[in-house]
Amino acid sequence: DARVTQTPRHKVTEMGQEVTMRCQPILGHNTVFWYRQTMMQGLELLAYFRNRAPLDDSGMPKDRFSAEMPDATLATLKIQPSEPRDSAVYFCASGLVRVAFFGQGTRLTVV
Amino acid sequence: DQQVKQNSPSLSVQEGRISILNCDYTNSMFDYFLWYKKYPAEGPTFLISISSIKDKNEDGRFTVFLNKSAKHLSLHIVPSQPGDSAVYFCAASAGGGGSNYKLTFGKGTLLTVNP
Repeated sequence: DARVTQTPRHKVTEMGQEVTMRCQPILGHNTVFWYRQTMMQGLELLAYFRNRAPLDDSGMPKDRFSAEMPDATLATLKIQPSEPRDSAVYFCASGLVRVAFFGQGTRLTVV
Repeated sequence: DQQVKQNSPSLSVQEGRISILNCDYTNSMFDYFLWYKKYPAEGPTFLISISSIKDKNEDGRFTVFLNKSAKHLSLHIVPSQPGDSAVYFCAASAGGGGSNYKLTFGKGTLLTVNP
């Protein structure tokens, strides 16, 4: 049963600390997305990659967020330094054509 | 500027009846539309999609209708079941020759199906 795997599922960290979220896309998918879900904004796109190349990261605060795909089986989203306003659920999704399949998310709490 | 809008934050329906969830969009470049279902503490799950060359797509109890002139789509669930209770997200993407398939989401509608 192919699925997108995200780790960790939950993360509590102190303000100012670095946070790294990881995602294993579905094997064979060439597109990877990072979304953030908040009560106010809903699901907002942070970044996405096609064939490991970043296509759009305009939704991401550049000064503290970074997204990479070191290889086809791993995507990472880093926040440094983290702030309380970053508290949200972060979803990774992967796709091949027009449909994206989501992981279960990482719930981040910054205190 | 919200390009995909779900104007009803919630909807309550009796089991066995029809659920109709609505979605409006503003970007004329959108040519592919999707519905996702989301349970608490889980990621969104793909339900059904439709291309702009069609006006209807059906999969079991789920049917999506697209009205391009009105920039409106709807998801019909017949018959509704208590297990359908979840948040439903509408999403859209623009083809752009295959280079830009990012999904833009609405804010979701919470569907409650009462036994």
